[in-house]
Amino acid sequence: EVQLVESGGGLVQPGGSLRLSCAASGFTFSSYWMHWVRQAPGKGLEWVSRINGDGSSTTYADSVKGRFTISRDNAKNTLYLQMNSLRAEDTAVYYCATSIVGADGHWGQGTLVTVSS
Amino acid sequence: QSALTQPASVSGSPGQSITISCTGTSSDVGGYNYVSWYQQHPDKAPKLMIYDVSNRPSGVSNRFSGSKSGNTASLTISGLQAEDEADYYCSSYTSSSTPYVFGTGTKVTVL
Repeated sequence: EVQLVESGGGLVQPGGSLRLSCAASGFTFSSYWMHWVRQAPGKGLEWVSRINGDGSSTTYADSVKGRFTISRDNAKNTLYLQMNSLRAEDTAVYYCATSIVGADGHWGQGTLVTVSS
Repeated sequence: QSALTQPASVSGSPGQSITISCTGTSSDVGGYNYVSWYQQHPDKAPKLMIYDVSNRPSGVSNRFSGSKSGNTASLTISGLQAEDEADYYCSSYTSSSTPYVFGTGTKVTVL
């Protein structure tokens, strides 16, 4: 069974940093592109970033480019999102997912990031 | 990249059929057969219901079906049940620098 478990969310001040993790199991992690998607409170879904299987290719939404960094450790079956220079508008539940438009669309339960002073 | 346009709400009685539209452009919905639909219950993670416009993952009820015409994709729920009450989001691959876009979301209410 595919499992994705996010962690690392919490309360952070504007301008601060946070690193999210997503522990994966039940599938061959290194074979999959992985994604981060976020959802602000009461709002819709927003795609944030993706990384290919070996970590050599990354893509970001314009809203986070230059501030967020996606990475992965295939030996630990773990996906990361390093978030710097956080803003109030980054407040959201962050989900990791195996696919956005493909057949293997598995999502974690999400971790809440709150940016506030 | 603007979000795909969905109606804010759709409602129906148990047993009825409803259809949710998802309108984009030729750069996303109209240009690729990479449209997915997600169901999200309150405080839960999104669940994949349809991928590649009209395909159902294993375990998803055949009451859910998808289609596309031009720049608009649609999700139809037939034989509406109380458990179908949720938010639904479409998503599409895009040719822009942001490779994926979601719809604005539709709240389905079972009367």
